[in-house]
Amino acid sequence: SAVISQKPSRDICQRGTSLTIQCQVDSQVTMMFWYRQQPGQSLTLIATANQGSEATYESGFVIDKFPISRPNLTFSTLTVSNMSPEDSSIYLCSVESGQPNTEAFFGQGTRLTVV
Amino acid sequence: AQKITQTQPGMFVQEKEAVTLDCTYDTSDQSYGLFWYKQPSSGEMIFLIYQGSYDEQNATEGRYSLNFQKARKSANLVISASQLGDSAMYFCAMREVGMDSSYKLIFGSGTRLLVRP
Repeated sequence: SAVISQKPSRDICQRGTSLTIQCQVDSQVTMMFWYRQQPGQSLTLIATANQGSEATYESGFVIDKFPISRPNLTFSTLTVSNMSPEDSSIYLCSVESGQPNTEAFFGQGTRLTVV
Repeated sequence: AQKITQTQPGMFVQEKEAVTLDCTYDTSDQSYGLFWYKQPSSGEMIFLIYQGSYDEQNATEGRYSLNFQKARKSANLVISASQLGDSAMYFCAMREVGMDSSYKLIFGSGTRLLVRP
């Protein structure tokens, strides 16, 4: 199993500003992911955070809006840039071992409100 | 493209009774994995149970069991002896492996379960 520390747990931000969310894992992991959960909705994958290279973004998400860093196998950041109220969501970091029959572990989530 | 369908937006169950949460999936892959997660109001995602497509036995984890019917492409979660703490959102998910070896989970829309005392 993996223990994930995600910070901040919640924040209220002004529109037009940016917020960086941190995800720290207690062990080296192959795969790290960032998800968005809009109010009352399911989880949608934003991107796969690749160690040492650019993140792989899903359709509808772009690097300029959601820049991601992954400097090593235990840490990643997601920045929500130039925020608008539509960005109000829960953002979740997730890690997987890459083995097909193992579960994904999630951080506690960052509850973001943009005013 | 793979798809996960949860047709029950909300469910009620009486404390100590069993409840079944429905999940159907659509995939052309032969090898896949199915997961159930619980999300309390705090927002964290708690892993409950996993079923592999080649597993012949239905998965069980304590009070949770997965009714896997491969031909019908369904993977329903059964919670036995419901407790008040089971009140939460429940998500069914399927692991997708892309042609480029990319890896991701596809989530259903979720079912909100409320356990009545």
